[in-house]
Amino acid sequence: GAGVSQSPSNKVTEKGKDVELRCDPISGHTALYWYRQSLGQGLEFLIYFQGNSAPDKSGLPSDRFSAERTGGSVSTLTIQRTQQEDSAVYLCASSLGLQGISGELFFGEGSRLTVL
Amino acid sequence: KNQVEQSPQSLIILEGKNCTLQCNYTVSPFSNLRWYKQDTGRGPVSLTIMTFSENTKSNGRYTATLDADTKQSSLHITASQLSDSASYICVVSAYGNNRLAFGKGNQVVVIP
Repeated sequence: GAGVSQSPSNKVTEKGKDVELRCDPISGHTALYWYRQSLGQGLEFLIYFQGNSAPDKSGLPSDRFSAERTGGSVSTLTIQRTQQEDSAVYLCASSLGLQGISGELFFGEGSRLTVL
Repeated sequence: KNQVEQSPQSLIILEGKNCTLQCNYTVSPFSNLRWYKQDTGRGPVSLTIMTFSENTKSNGRYTATLDADTKQSSLHITASQLSDSASYICVVSAYGNNRLAFGKGNQVVVIP
């Protein structure tokens, strides 16, 4: 696609429910990143993928969070048994190369999650 | 302590005026520094990327400077427009580290 696509754009759920957030990166981008942005805070790294593998999962805040990527393309971030503190904007980004190199990073518009 | 500190946290400027945003970082070893613009409810969009050897880079009315010795960067907005109202995020990358360090952003509001 022309840009990074995320869905849903908005999600309201009840505490304790599971949610899935989807990211469709720019075609050909091998690196894919998930970030969380809470109100008034900087972006918090969650996980990144190089191809289908996730070398660094240490940013995931708890074992309720998981992510996968298939076919080197679409990624899904799953939050199980959602809590109110999970409410935030979840941003996905993709790039041709890894962030440590000066690769351009392209962000999606984010998925706003509200847990009631 | 955050590795990237931005100031001021927020500012209000009159349309047509200039403003300068500051970013101080402690990330090491330094690879590159980026400025992103994030409109409300949107994803961040890259304005500039600078490596160690670059000390200034422009993108239209946006000019970024970098002093790698003092680990400081600034983003200057010239002749501000209402559409410049946004959060400006400073992001620093270290060699060998695939995690970018993000500042909390400078919230700019341009008023007519």
